[in-house]
Amino acid sequence: QKEVEQDPGPLSVPEGAIVSLNCTYSNSAFQYFMWYRQYSRKGPELLMYTYSSGNKEDGRFTAQVDKSSKYISLFIRDSQPSDSATYLCATHTGANSKLTFGKGITLSVRP
Amino acid sequence: DAGVTQSPTHLIKTRGQQVTLRCSPKSGHDTVSWYQQALGQGPQFIFQYYEEEERQRGNFPDRFSGHQFPNYSSELNVNALLLGDSALYLCASSLFLDNPGELFFGEGSRLTVL
Repeated sequence: QKEVEQDPGPLSVPEGAIVSLNCTYSNSAFQYFMWYRQYSRKGPELLMYTYSSGNKEDGRFTAQVDKSSKYISLFIRDSQPSDSATYLCATHTGANSKLTFGKGITLSVRP
Repeated sequence: DAGVTQSPTHLIKTRGQQVTLRCSPKSGHDTVSWYQQALGQGPQFIFQYYEEEERQRGNFPDRFSGHQFPNYSSELNVNALLLGDSALYLCASSLFLDNPGELFFGEGSRLTVL
């Protein structure tokens, strides 16, 4: 079992849809949770960074962490074609520890 | 403010050759980590450098080695290249004392091994 499992893709939605992206993790030592966005042929770009269980909102993006079930989610409201990219969940155990990534899911938002 | 810069952006090598990839961290950052991202996969941690020393290492063979220079820039060296080493190699920088800290990634160096 991989330490971080991410829902397989690809995912295609119409513009304006609400998108839900999900990951599960197995290591209870993971304390910090991130979502990265990666456009084709680019490096990952940090979207959201959370520590505790609960929700964190930034514009159209909401990150949700449930440590009891080891489940992390990213919601995108009013999705736009510019949101078309690969989304990677990631986690780590603390300061300066390595990031463990999910496999990534490719999202396509149709105009 | 320059972000993380990597060179070269693309390169092609043949099996058995050696390759060196370079990274300059974001201004003000002192820690460099390297990740390998195979096609269709998430990045995998190779190693981390701070104060010119390897601080952490992932599950990669000794063919993968690195170096950090006094100006915080870093190199990743891969010897005896295998076809399976074909991937996007990502450099990420951070500030060691920044807890929990944010990792900034470069655009990557895409290595193709023929």
